[in-house]
Amino acid sequence: KAGVTQTPRYLIKTRGQQVTLSCSPISGHRSVSWYQQTPGQGLQFLFEYFSETQRNKGNFPGRFSGRQFSNSRSEMNVSTLELGDSALYLCASSSRQGEGGYTFGSGTRLTVV
Amino acid sequence: AQSVTQLGSHVSVSEGALVLLRCNYSSSVPPYLFWYVQYPNQGLQLLLKYTTGATLVKGINGFEAEFKKSETSFHLTKPSAHMSDAAEYFCAVTRQGNTGKLIFGQGTTLQVKP
Repeated sequence: KAGVTQTPRYLIKTRGQQVTLSCSPISGHRSVSWYQQTPGQGLQFLFEYFSETQRNKGNFPGRFSGRQFSNSRSEMNVSTLELGDSALYLCASSSRQGEGGYTFGSGTRLTVV
Repeated sequence: AQSVTQLGSHVSVSEGALVLLRCNYSSSVPPYLFWYVQYPNQGLQLLLKYTTGATLVKGINGFEAEFKKSETSFHLTKPSAHMSDAAEYFCAVTRQGNTGKLIFGQGTTLQVKP
């Protein structure tokens, strides 16, 4: 079956702009979580959605937000972009209890200039 | 709170040698543990996982790991390294049940020398 699909793969934005990233989970997976990966901070948890509800949130400013649709697809939005937001953004989907592990997409590489 | 420590940010082995990547975790509740591999400009690929049951888990590409509760460790091993194993490896922990929140170690870059 199809894996986790993230679009776009690459994005260049200007400081102050906003951006929306998309994640389509594996069919049947209702949990979608988002991570930011940078060389300095590593992989950091942003938030997780299950059945359109945010269940967990990491320690990121309010400029980072997300949502999940009824088909489990998720979007994350970053407003008022800063240079430090340049990162690889990864999403992962999992089954209800998570025993099967978390399957990651290929990520969106965001560069803020 | 949960945390993961990967000992050694860079590990270098010769092709055909044993691979050992170390991971220690901290968790106040029973954990789920994972190892992921990341190749340049790609996402994370699940190598193996421990949820419940057998403490020695086998994964893809000949990797295995053993959950040792008394040592709070989940080290990754492979008997014989291959050039294609060169990549970055991440250990991750979450609590049992689906929280969607993985806590990752800082990663270990594995170099395989011919």
